[in-house]
Amino acid sequence: AQKVTQAQTEISVVEKEDVTLDCVYETRDTTYYLFWYKQPPSGELVFLIRRNSFDEQNEISGRYSWNFQKSTSSFNFTITASQVVDSAVYFCALSEASSARQLTFGSGTQLTVLP
Amino acid sequence: DAGITQSPRHKVTETGTPVTLRCHQTENHRYMYWYRQDPGHGLRLIHYSYGVKDTDKGEVSDGYSVSRSKTEDFLLTLESATSSQTSVYFCAISESQAGGPYNEQFFGPGTRLTVL
Repeated sequence: AQKVTQAQTEISVVEKEDVTLDCVYETRDTTYYLFWYKQPPSGELVFLIRRNSFDEQNEISGRYSWNFQKSTSSFNFTITASQVVDSAVYFCALSEASSARQLTFGSGTQLTVLP
Repeated sequence: DAGITQSPRHKVTETGTPVTLRCHQTENHRYMYWYRQDPGHGLRLIHYSYGVKDTDKGEVSDGYSVSRSKTEDFLLTLESATSSQTSVYFCAISESQAGGPYNEQFFGPGTRLTVL
């Protein structure tokens, strides 16, 4: 069975600090996809990134970067020079080939960026 | 943004009453999903649909049923609402690619349901 663990329930940083959100996953499949979503205080869910299991290249998008390491089953998300607008709940999610239509979410990390 | 709407956006009902939530999409995506979001649990899949009249159960399907008679609409029904079904319900859509729905899912705005 697939499982996603986000051990950090809440993180608080001061603006301009870098912050890393951890995501550890469990799967028996060799083919799977990993996702990150953002849920700001307004409540909607915003897609951030998708990564497949065959592509371990790290990805950078502006102040956001993602580090995928199959050896440790981790897909961590780093925000560089955080801003107040980054305050949100961030969810990591996993989709396996064997249960392809099910997206399993972690419990989320509440990030608060203080001015 | 993907064209997904949910109705109603807020609902308060009493235990034992039937409730139907509607998800409507204008993207013509094949896959549609219903999730519930509860504190400490993230989002959990209730049911999903992979085409008109084609549906399947998710992780937390007990007490819920779904129907999809048109590509654009996916209905979630609580036959007899209970207080444990108080939650925020999200609909999502995705398109398939190469035989599997590995594309990202796009979410609707959510419905806050309170069962008294």
